[in-house]
Amino acid sequence: EDQVTQSPEALRLQEGESSSLNCSYTVSGLRGLFWYRQDPGKGPEFLFTLYSAGEEKEKERLKATLTKKESFLHITAPKPEDSATYLCAVQAWDDKIIFGKGTRLHILP
Amino acid sequence: GAVVSQHPSWVICKSGTSVKIECRSLDFQATTMFWYRQFPKQSLMLMATSNEGSKATYEQGVEKDKFLINHASLTLSTLTVTSAHPEDSSFYICSALDRPLSGNTIYFGEGSWLTVV
Repeated sequence: EDQVTQSPEALRLQEGESSSLNCSYTVSGLRGLFWYRQDPGKGPEFLFTLYSAGEEKEKERLKATLTKKESFLHITAPKPEDSATYLCAVQAWDDKIIFGKGTRLHILP
Repeated sequence: GAVVSQHPSWVICKSGTSVKIECRSLDFQATTMFWYRQFPKQSLMLMATSNEGSKATYEQGVEKDKFLINHASLTLSTLTVTSAHPEDSSFYICSALDRPLSGNTIYFGEGSWLTVV
């Protein structure tokens, strides 16, 4: 069964304290893995698409990596404005999209 | 800027009436769009997959006669909540699949808050 599991469910960090969010997946043929940021009451904001194991992408303080089983979203020296829910989703070859439940990240000033 | 636009951002309607939400892809043609529902502090729940020119594919448990989806063009999909009831009040979000030559990405709209009174 296709499945996406994100961990931890919630994470509180001090400003400047780097950490990683995990997205583990099982899917029958990976077409792409997506990371999004969602603020309360808003639609998810696209961050990255990763297509194959070994691929890495960076944007400001965020870096996403991908293996055959999981993806990590590394946050370096986070700021309070990085507080949000981070969503991971995988796209299977039949275009079915499976979302994880997200990680609620809270950065304390 | 936003590449997928949803309208309206919020709407209040009376119980028993119908309300339509539009989802437009602004910078690309989207043969596939998705509709989600999200309750507070919960993850996105896929309602249906909308393919241009064909009938939508609904997820199990989603009433297709209540949530009418139309994808009449490559840039527009609509979700109509028919005979709305207070329990239909929720945050509805659409997304669109962009398939450029270099890969594919799914972009989300800003979401629409529906309150049924």
